[in-house]
Amino acid sequence: GIQVEQSPPDLILQEGANSTLRCNFSDSVNNLQWFHQNPWGQLINLFYIPSGTKQNGRLSATTVATERYSLLYISSSQTTDSGVYFCAVGRPNSGYALNFGKGTSLLVTP
Amino acid sequence: IAGITQAPTSQILAAGRRMTLRCTQDMRHNAMYWYRQDLGLGLRLIHYSNTAGTTGKGEVPDGYSVSRANTDDFPLTLASAVPSQTSVYFCASSRSQGGTHSEQFFGPGTRLTVL
Repeated sequence: GIQVEQSPPDLILQEGANSTLRCNFSDSVNNLQWFHQNPWGQLINLFYIPSGTKQNGRLSATTVATERYSLLYISSSQTTDSGVYFCAVGRPNSGYALNFGKGTSLLVTP
Repeated sequence: IAGITQAPTSQILAAGRRMTLRCTQDMRHNAMYWYRQDLGLGLRLIHYSNTAGTTGKGEVPDGYSVSRANTDDFPLTLASAVPSQTSVYFCASSRSQGGTHSEQFFGPGTRLTVL
């Protein structure tokens, strides 16, 4: 199946810092989503971004489908940004399910 | 609008017992999914259903069964639970068709412990 690799696996930031999370995938996709799993275990949809760039407040994401990667930018990080960030992709003609990376665990300290 | 609800929130189960995890969505999405999340392994697909009346196997289907009698409900059954099925189970749904994915939404999860 498709391989989804996220980096870095762990990240510690001080409040106010910026960060970039990366997601590489091994095959063409027609769905890519970024999720935030908060400390209570909830999976929160951040972006549905099979290609292009989107922004939502302090977060933005870019997917370059032809080069098989996506980036999630977090600016002016806050302690509430802590948690695990997952990238998940779906392939054409292989069902609609998502293949998840192992996530980036982010801790933002005051 | 509730989105996706799952029940129970958590459960401790003796090995060998039968258990059904419930999932209901009110978004009229055609596609539904069950994933399990284990520490360090991310989420893995157990079973899916592209439309009511059809189901399919995912990456880790052994020991699980599903049914899709209508659009809204997608229960997951463990016929005879084993300790390796201790995990957090997430149900998800999306409006997907014609080979095109749309955004998937997740329920709050069920934490299952099998002793």
